[in-house]
Amino acid sequence: EAGVAQSPRYKIIEKRQSVAFWCNPISGHATLYWYQQILGQGPKLLIQFQNNGVVDDSQLPKDRFSAERLKGVDSTLKIQPAKLEDSAVYLCASSLDRALARGEDFGAGTRLSVL
Amino acid sequence: AQKITQTQPGMFVQEKEAVTLDCTYDTSDQSYGLFWYKQPSSGEMIFLIYQGSYDEQNATEGRYSLNFQKARKSANLVISASQLGDSAMYFCAIRSGNTGKLIFGQGTTLQVKP
Repeated sequence: EAGVAQSPRYKIIEKRQSVAFWCNPISGHATLYWYQQILGQGPKLLIQFQNNGVVDDSQLPKDRFSAERLKGVDSTLKIQPAKLEDSAVYLCASSLDRALARGEDFGAGTRLSVL
Repeated sequence: AQKITQTQPGMFVQEKEAVTLDCTYDTSDQSYGLFWYKQPSSGEMIFLIYQGSYDEQNATEGRYSLNFQKARKSANLVISASQLGDSAMYFCAIRSGNTGKLIFGQGTTLQVKP
């Protein structure tokens, strides 16, 4: 089966610009996650969708970050305007169900550099 | 609140030897899950092994085993017969049985020497 697809792989922008990331989860996976991984740290959950509804967005900086999941499949994460501290890898993950023993399937991530 | 602590920023191991990566956790949940992920330099997170809080037996997956000591709140990963391809970042994580949220530790970088 195809894995979680993310694009772009790399993005360089200047502060105060906008950027968007795209994620296509594994077919049939109802749950989709966006994680932020700052260099030298573990991933931190930004937002979790169950189908196209938001389950948890408690750590999403809502003044600049937004995310949507279209028709319960693809998802986009947007940052507007970007700050220097947003430089990180943004990982998308998906799973069949919210609570499972196997762990989420992760994409390769988008590496964002904000200059 | 849940927390994962990985105290070893970096580890070295000789090829074909075994290595233990430490992980301690803190949670007030009765039901939780413990995970280990591998992150190579290419960036993707690869699921390695899972241990449920009610599982009495230590989990094993091929060369990976999880040394689960519930009273000490530790969930160390043991990699037997290390291979050069095991060189990567390793993350321990805990999933709350209540919220389902996955919390990661800071990670340990493992380098396997030939």
